[in-house]
Amino acid sequence: EDQVTQSPEALRLQEGESSSLNCSYTVSGLRGLFWYRQDPGKGPEFLFTLYSAGEEKEKERLKATLTKKESFLHITAPKPEDSATYLCAVQAQGGSYIPTFGRGTSLIVHP
Amino acid sequence: KAGVTQTPRYLIKTRGQQVTLSCSPISGHRSVSWYQQTPGQGLQFLFEYFSETQRNKGNFPGRFSGRQFSNSRSEMNVSTLELGDSALYLCASSFRTDTDTQYFGPGTRLTVL
Repeated sequence: EDQVTQSPEALRLQEGESSSLNCSYTVSGLRGLFWYRQDPGKGPEFLFTLYSAGEEKEKERLKATLTKKESFLHITAPKPEDSATYLCAVQAQGGSYIPTFGRGTSLIVHP
Repeated sequence: KAGVTQTPRYLIKTRGQQVTLSCSPISGHRSVSWYQQTPGQGLQFLFEYFSETQRNKGNFPGRFSGRQFSNSRSEMNVSTLELGDSALYLCASSFRTDTDTQYFGPGTRLTVL
């Protein structure tokens, strides 16, 4: 069974204090790993898709990296508007292709 | 290109009633998936439709059903509502079943009293 574990569950940062969110996964064969951002009461907003170990993608203050067992979402010099829940999901090769989601990391950035 | 739209955005129902939620995918997307999101369980997969056929189904009771129309729009129905059905119901669309990325709508917040 595919499993996705995100840590920490919650993270409080000061504005400008860089940090990383972790997504550990267990899947028979990885087709893709996705990062989403979700604001309260809204649908998840797509951020990145990573396909193979060593791959990196960046968008503004966010950088996602991937190894064979985990992915990191690095947040550089965060701002209060980066406050949100960040969700990670994995899609396995073969089978149903339905992504398995982690429980998310709730990030609060204080000014 | 317009994103995924869901209607209504908010619903209040009472136990025993039924409800129908609607989802319009991104133009050109043929796969529509539905998820239930609650604080206790996170995002849980309900079902997925592709070209009007249900391709995958999550572990939910038969009270939860759905369908997809020829224009790829989808509806989900919940009959005999229970208090525990209160949740944010999310629709996500993708170009194909096995494509890489799902794009989510804003969700429908269902409250069952």
